[in-house]
Formats: sequence, structure tokens, C-alpha cells
Amino acid sequence: KAGVTQTPRYLIKTRGQQVTLSCSPISGHRSVSWYQQTPGQGLQFLFEYFSETQRNKGNFPGRFSGRQFSNSRSEMNVSTLELGDSALYLCASSLVGTGLYEQYFGPGTRLTVT
Amino acid sequence: SQQGEEDPQALSIQEGENATMNCSYKTSINNLQWYRQNSGRGLVHLILIRSNEREKHSGRLRVTLDTSKKSSSLLITASRAADTASYFCAQDGGSARQLTFGSGTQLTVLP
Repeated sequence: KAGVTQTPRYLIKTRGQQVTLSCSPISGHRSVSWYQQTPGQGLQFLFEYFSETQRNKGNFPGRFSGRQFSNSRSEMNVSTLELGDSALYLCASSLVGTGLYEQYFGPGTRLTVT
Repeated sequence: SQQGEEDPQALSIQEGENATMNCSYKTSINNLQWYRQNSGRGLVHLILIRSNEREKHSGRLRVTLDTSKKSSSLLITASRAADTASYFCAQDGGSARQLTFGSGTQLTVLP
């Protein structure tokens, strides 16, 4: 099976712009979660989607949003970018309902805000 | 912050030695998981231990869990240079898909 894919892998944006990141989960996985990783704050949960619905949300401002499509692919959007949004954004998918809760991570999108 | 703490923050050992990393967490858990991350890349799931388990093995990995102390440890035996990576514990306290990660241990295995 193909793993979790994320596009783009690298992105450079300017303060005030917006950005959209994409994630394709492992085939058959219906849950997609997003995490932000920075040197200062570590790995932090952003949100989780299942069946096109956001089920959980971390403690991030409303500038961070996401959505999930019927094929389970997910996008996250950050509007009005700030320097502090520079981070590695990781997407993870998991197989819901089997009792196995490990998450499978993509390689991440490295976002740099200048 | 609900983030757990890992100890040590950095560990450097020789190939063939064992490496032990510790994790403390703050809230009750359904399970605790360990992940590895190579240099700014995606995380790889290593092992999951449920709250009613005390010890689990997977190849050269051994994980223990002490829920009374809210702590877990990861032991890598006979380490290899390829084990060089950051290791994170992650607690699943309620929603299975919302993991709270520890601060991580940077392991360096010297050839």
C-alpha cells in the first residue's frame, strides 16, 4: 500500500499570505489528523477529520482550518500567515474501528514564512 | 500544557549498547505510543502499549508502562547507527486520533 502523501513538500510564503496544504491518506484510512511541529513548541495537534467532519480540534487560532473530501483526502489552510507559522506540518491517517490506534504519518510539508 | 516530558533530551551511545528513554505524562491514558523521527521527516510508529499492559516487546524494542507513576520507558537493545533519530512518546487519552506528544529524546548512536 502507498503511504501517506503530502504536497507540497516545501513552501515559502510571505507574511499575510495564505497557504493550502494537501494530504492523501493510506487507502482505506478514513481518519486524517494534522500536527504542527516547531523547535519551540514541539509536536502539537491541530485537528482531526473523519467522514468529512472535523471531530477534534487543538488549541490553534481560527486562521488554521481544514477540510476533508469524500475520498478522505484532506487539506489544511492557514490564512494571514505569521512568522510563527513557520513549521513542519505533518498529516497522519489511521484506520478507525479496528482497535488499533497507531497513526501513519506523511513526510510533512516544511512551511517557511518570511 | 498537556505535553509530556521525555528524559533525557539527548543521548549519545556507542553501537551495540542499549539505549533507554523515559517519558512522563500528565493525564490518564487509553494507550501510549512511541514514534521515531529521522531528521525533520515524518514520524514512524514503533510500538503501542495499552493502559492495562505493563510491558511489551517488538524486536529490539522493549516498552514498559507504569500508570501509577504516569511514566513509560523505551529500551532499544544492541543499538545500531541507523537507530539515530528522535524518539517521541505520545499519549492517547481520549480520542484515539488525538495524540499528545512528549518533547522527544534525540538519540545518537556512534559507529
